[in-house]
Amino acid sequence: GEDVEQSLFLSVREGDSSVINCTYTDSSSTYLYWYKQEPGAGLQLLTYIFSNMDMKQDQRLTVLLNKKDKHLSLRIADTQTGDSAIYFCADVGYYNQGGKLIFGQGTELSVKP
Amino acid sequence: SQTIHQWPATLVQPVGSPLSLECTVEGTSNPNLYWYRQAAGRGLQLLFYSVGIGQISSEVPQNLSASRPQDRQFILSSKKLLLSDSGFYLCAWSHAAVFGGETQYFGPGTRLLVL
Repeated sequence: GEDVEQSLFLSVREGDSSVINCTYTDSSSTYLYWYKQEPGAGLQLLTYIFSNMDMKQDQRLTVLLNKKDKHLSLRIADTQTGDSAIYFCADVGYYNQGGKLIFGQGTELSVKP
Repeated sequence: SQTIHQWPATLVQPVGSPLSLECTVEGTSNPNLYWYRQAAGRGLQLLFYSVGIGQISSEVPQNLSASRPQDRQFILSSKKLLLSDSGFYLCAWSHAAVFGGETQYFGPGTRLLVL
């Protein structure tokens, strides 16, 4: 079945760029997602990229998609302490009536002042 | 705009007791609804999804059940809780049957501790 893999931890200094990586197995994906989870909270949709795009930029966030290698990355420019959270990559697995998300294990981003 | 609510926010229950967690969505109709569990290790496990009233699909066999008595209401239940049912339960919704309808929007979650 579909699988999504992420590294578990990333530590950066405030002001640096963070790059969170993700690999997936399903080559038929239409959308790929990034969600953010702050401690004790639900998941917040950060951004998504359509599979016919290579890059999407949204303010400090840049998503890169390499379909050939099935690799997705999220770059956060000028990382702030408020960016400390768990970041989940998600792919779409389909069932009869629609799509369900397949999540990676999440990457815990720690931003040090 | 659409909002999703979950309650209670936190629950401490003894082993063997029943469970009922509620999720409601406002501002949309006929959503797809989902229940996830996030155990201490952080991975998200899809438990149930529903594409309409009374239509429930189970992803994994377990001690839990789900029901959808109304279009925008999704309930997670158990007759007898186990210690292993402890975790963070997240409800989510998505637009049904539209291109890009896979995008899911999550509620604030319910933290369940079974003692």
